[in-house]
Amino acid sequence: DIVMTQSPLSLPVTPGEPASISCRSSQSLLHSNGNNFLDWYLQKPGQSPQILIYMGSNRAAGVPDRFSGSGSGTYFTLRISRVEAEDVGVYYCMQALQTRYTFGQGTKLEIK
Amino acid sequence: EVQLVESGGGLIQPGGSLRLSCAASGFTVSNNYMSWVRRAPGKGLEWLSCIYSGGNTAYADSVKGRFIISRDNPRNTLYLQMSSLRAEDTAVYYCAGGPQRSGWGQGTQVAVSS
Repeated sequence: DIVMTQSPLSLPVTPGEPASISCRSSQSLLHSNGNNFLDWYLQKPGQSPQILIYMGSNRAAGVPDRFSGSGSGTYFTLRISRVEAEDVGVYYCMQALQTRYTFGQGTKLEIK
Repeated sequence: EVQLVESGGGLIQPGGSLRLSCAASGFTVSNNYMSWVRRAPGKGLEWLSCIYSGGNTAYADSVKGRFIISRDNPRNTLYLQMSSLRAEDTAVYYCAGGPQRSGWGQGTQVAVSS
């Protein structure tokens, strides 16, 4: 199985400041069709996970444009341009290249 | 609008069985890769099982041989039959899938305890 490694695991952020989370995969997630099979999810407290970014850099419907995803191959980044209070929760990267999907450990974003 | 609604969780004794259901709307289950994911207390998300549009299935090592994923096409519903349950299976279980992997249910709690 592909191993996903996120950093940092804890991320205290001041509202209005930017934030970024890194995700590394043990194998390339770049498919021969040119897409990176890497998604980003946010699980807010008491809620189910919601997709933020799919295929590495595509914002899901309804996701604010302060969220962006970048990267290719084995290294990916989720950026939040200006953190808001509603962004607190646990962020996960997930590879969808292989049949048995795998998640990163999760990054807990909290407001300072 | 993509919607997934799970049901079937509860408190069960070790060694027992449960069947989780996930009713979908807004898209067709049988046309999509569908999966089950869980989050145990204090842990992160764990992928458990999937079923492809063609019917092929796969399982995580932690549940292989004990859990079975299936679907009912006319009902547009996904299932997870869980048997030989253990304390470490205690978690909130989510079904997920649909266009751009965007659909997640609200989750159903499974507690395995004597």
